[in-house]
Amino acid sequence: DQQVKQNSPSLSVQEGRISILNCDYTNSMFDYFLWYKKYPAEGPTFLISISSIKDKNEDGRFTVFLNKSAKHLSLHIVPSQPGDSAVYFCAASATMNYGGATNKLIFGTGTLLAVQP
Amino acid sequence: DSGVTQTPKHLITATGQRVTLRCSPRSGDLSVYWYQQSLDQGLQFLIQYYNGEERAKGNILERFSAQQFPDLHSELNLSSLELGDSALYFCASSSESGGSPLHFGNGTRLTVT
Repeated sequence: DQQVKQNSPSLSVQEGRISILNCDYTNSMFDYFLWYKKYPAEGPTFLISISSIKDKNEDGRFTVFLNKSAKHLSLHIVPSQPGDSAVYFCAASATMNYGGATNKLIFGTGTLLAVQP
Repeated sequence: DSGVTQTPKHLITATGQRVTLRCSPRSGDLSVYWYQQSLDQGLQFLIQYYNGEERAKGNILERFSAQQFPDLHSELNLSSLELGDSALYFCASSSESGGSPLHFGNGTRLTVT
């Protein structure tokens, strides 16, 4: 059962334009959501997160939006740069299932973003 | 640099063998998590340790085991290896509090021939 889904395996955008990566989840107990970026031969790098009590979180060029009723989140990158080309993973956690004692993350399968110069 | 160190980077071994993967968490992090990434798959959670004790378990095979030592480093032991165990194995660490991101090492690439 895939609790976190990224339905677009790949996305191509032009440099300077907006990149929008999407993620859907099924578990209503998830209360913490994150985006990770991964380059080949490296581990995932934390980008940005959002708690379920918020609907938007911004950090520089990166903004994450959360729509709890739709169980959907998205990552916006504006403006996109060639260095943003990587695989982006959406992840979710039900932190309070364990009384806040675990940050175990459930990952989506990733979206390969290619930013064309 | 995430501060999480994994060794070795690459491991090639034969079916039926046993290997040990090692992870040192970020300074101050008490939790260690192990993930497996097979070809074209997302990261699958295996197991979490917190301050030496098992805290959460995922779809970890019985042939696999892990432990966290008093100095907080962790080892993942994989035995009776099969071809399908070939994958990237990532270790991550986090602080104690809920709602904190995991910080990942660069992984160990295991190839079973």
